[in-house]
Amino acid sequence: QSALTQPASISGSPGQSITISCTGTSSDVDDYNYVSWYQQPPGKAPKLLIYDVTKRPSGISNRFSGSKSGNTASLTISGLQTEDEADYYCFSFKFNNEFGGGTKLTVL
Amino acid sequence: EVRLVESGGGLVRPGGSLRLSCTASGFDFPNYWMTWVRQAPGKGLEWVANIKQDGSEKEYVDSVRGRFTISRDNSKNSMYLQMNSLRADDTAVYFCARELYSGSPRRFLHWGQGTLITVSS
Repeated sequence: QSALTQPASISGSPGQSITISCTGTSSDVDDYNYVSWYQQPPGKAPKLLIYDVTKRPSGISNRFSGSKSGNTASLTISGLQTEDEADYYCFSFKFNNEFGGGTKLTVL
Repeated sequence: EVRLVESGGGLVRPGGSLRLSCTASGFDFPNYWMTWVRQAPGKGLEWVANIKQDGSEKEYVDSVRGRFTISRDNSKNSMYLQMNSLRADDTAVYFCARELYSGSPRRFLHWGQGTLITVSS
């Protein structure tokens, strides 16, 4: 059981925007600005989308954005595309290095 | 091009041992923290262990501490995971990952394709 809580699933239509939340205890997400987000298509390795809450690695589309409010971090995907269909994981660390339980995104 | 290739996976009986390797290329391996992450079939990602550039610092998830040992050989651009006293719940695909930039552990930019460990009698 992960201490970082994500919705199990979310869906959206092409062109829409969706937001995936990642809620932790005050000892992880809230205290430190070290939340990252990963995309994992079926059968593939994860891919870093966002780090340090809001930063994008080189080459990641600006359709992906991160934010944080209190003890909840969020990943927003705008202009949904069919290729965005994947599992998404948040990750945070302080005393524990921990992934959220993951959110399956379906693009209808 | 950064490349990470895991090897050493396979079928092992409960209580057995296995050593995974991660061979790196395309970057200055000694300058980067390295990490193992695993994923049980149909489940989410689990951070397993990491190791500092010179091997002087190592961290483990509670469930493997005392059973798994992470190490590296910078002369061979390789990282290892020695897994002892294996249990059924260690069954997973094991990924190796490299940090985003030197000195940024826990931000995993580059990943291997993973190697499957199955613990079963």
